[in-house]
Amino acid sequence: KAGVTQTPRYLIKTRGQQVTLSCSPISGHRSVSWYQQTPGQGLQFLFEYFSETQRNKGNFPGRFSGRQFSNSRSEMNVSTLELGDSALYLCASSARGGDTEAFFGQGTRLTVV
Amino acid sequence: QQPVQSPQAVILREGEDAVINCSSSKALYSVHWYRQKHGEAPVFLMILLKGGEQKGHEKISASFNEKKQQSSLYLTASQLSYSGTYFCGTGGGSNYKLTFGKGTLLTVNP
Repeated sequence: KAGVTQTPRYLIKTRGQQVTLSCSPISGHRSVSWYQQTPGQGLQFLFEYFSETQRNKGNFPGRFSGRQFSNSRSEMNVSTLELGDSALYLCASSARGGDTEAFFGQGTRLTVV
Repeated sequence: QQPVQSPQAVILREGEDAVINCSSSKALYSVHWYRQKHGEAPVFLMILLKGGEQKGHEKISASFNEKKQQSSLYLTASQLSYSGTYFCGTGGGSNYKLTFGKGTLLTVNP
C-alpha cells in the first residue's frame, strides 16, 4: 500500500512569490490535514479537508489556502511569501479524520529567501 | 489552545522508564500521540478517547484523565528505537482540528 506522497520535497522561493504544494493521500483515505512545522512552534494545524470540503482551519492568514479534489488529492497554496513562511509543511491522510489514525507524508521543505 | 507537554526533553539509558505528560486548559475528548524521529515523518502511536477506549499499534501504554484534562505516555524498558520527539495532540473528534503540543525530545543512550 503506497504511503502519503508530498511533492515537491524541497522548494526555494523568493519573498513575494507564491507556491503550491501537493499531497496525495493513501488510497481510500478521504481526509487530508495540513500542518506547518517549525523548530519553535512545533506542528501547527493549517486546515483539514474531507470529500472536497474544508471542515476546519487553523489560525493562519488568508495567504494560506487549500483545496481538495474529487480523487482526495489536496493542494495548499501560499501567496505573497514571507521569510517567516519558511518551514516544513506536512500533510496527513486518514480514512475519516477526527479520531482516526493519521499517516503523515515526508513533507515539503519550503525556504523563502 | 495548545496542550502543554512535559518534560521538554529527557535523556535515558537503555532499559530505563520514562513518562511524558500532556495537559490542556480545555476539556479533552481525545488525545493523540505521535512520535517523530529526526528527519522523518511523525508516526502514529495511540489515540485515547473519552470513556476509556484506546486505539494503538505499539505496546506503549498511556492514560487519559478526563477530569484533570491530562494524558500521560509511559515508556517502559526503553529501547534505542524509542528515541525521537513525542507529540500529543488534542481536539480531534468532530472538531477535525488536531492541536499539537510543542513536543518532548526523548533520547535513549546505550
